Amino acid sequence: GIQVEQSPPDLILQEGANSTLRCNFSDSVNNLQWFHQNPWGQLINLFYIPSGTKQNGRLSATTVATERYSLLYISSSQTTDSGVYFCAVGMNYGGSQGNLIFGKGTKLSVKP
Amino acid sequence: DAGITQSPRYKITETGRQVTLMCHQTWSHSYMFWYRQDLGHGLRLIYYSAAADITDKGEVPDGYVVSRSKTENFPLTLESATRSQTSVYFCASSDSLQVPPKTQYFGPGTRLLVL
Repeated sequence: GIQVEQSPPDLILQEGANSTLRCNFSDSVNNLQWFHQNPWGQLINLFYIPSGTKQNGRLSATTVATERYSLLYISSSQTTDSGVYFCAVGMNYGGSQGNLIFGKGTKLSVKP
Repeated sequence: DAGITQSPRYKITETGRQVTLMCHQTWSHSYMFWYRQDLGHGLRLIYYSAAADITDKGEVPDGYVVSRSKTENFPLTLESATRSQTSVYFCASSDSLQVPPKTQYFGPGTRLLVL
């Protein structure tokens, strides 16, 4: 099956710093999503980005499908950005939806 | 408008007992999913459902049973709980009619401890 590797596994930032999280995947996908799990456990979808670049406020993501990686950028980090960031990939066929395979996540701690 | 809810939020049970975790969504999404989250493994798919009365196995289905008689509900049953099923369980839903499509939305999770 598809393998998903995220790096780094842990990241500590000072508030205001920028960071880049990486997701590598082992096979072609047409479904890629980034999630944030806050310290209380809630999982929030950040981006649906099987290819291209998207931005939402201080967050942006880029997926280069041909090279099988995606990057999540966090600019001017805030303490509320702390938590675990997951990349999840999968294949959808026609109108159906394939399974999502999750990476093990990057744990981000933003210090005030 | 509650979105997607799970109950109970916390559950302690004993080995061998049957446990049912409930998931309810108010969006009429066609797809629903059950994941478990364990340290060192991230999230792993247990079962999913493309529509009412259609379910399929995910990565780790052994020891679990699901049903989906109504679009909005997707209960997960542990027929005879084992200690290895101690985990945090997440339910999610998505719909191909969403914009963007196939985005998954997660419930708050159920923390299950099997003694």
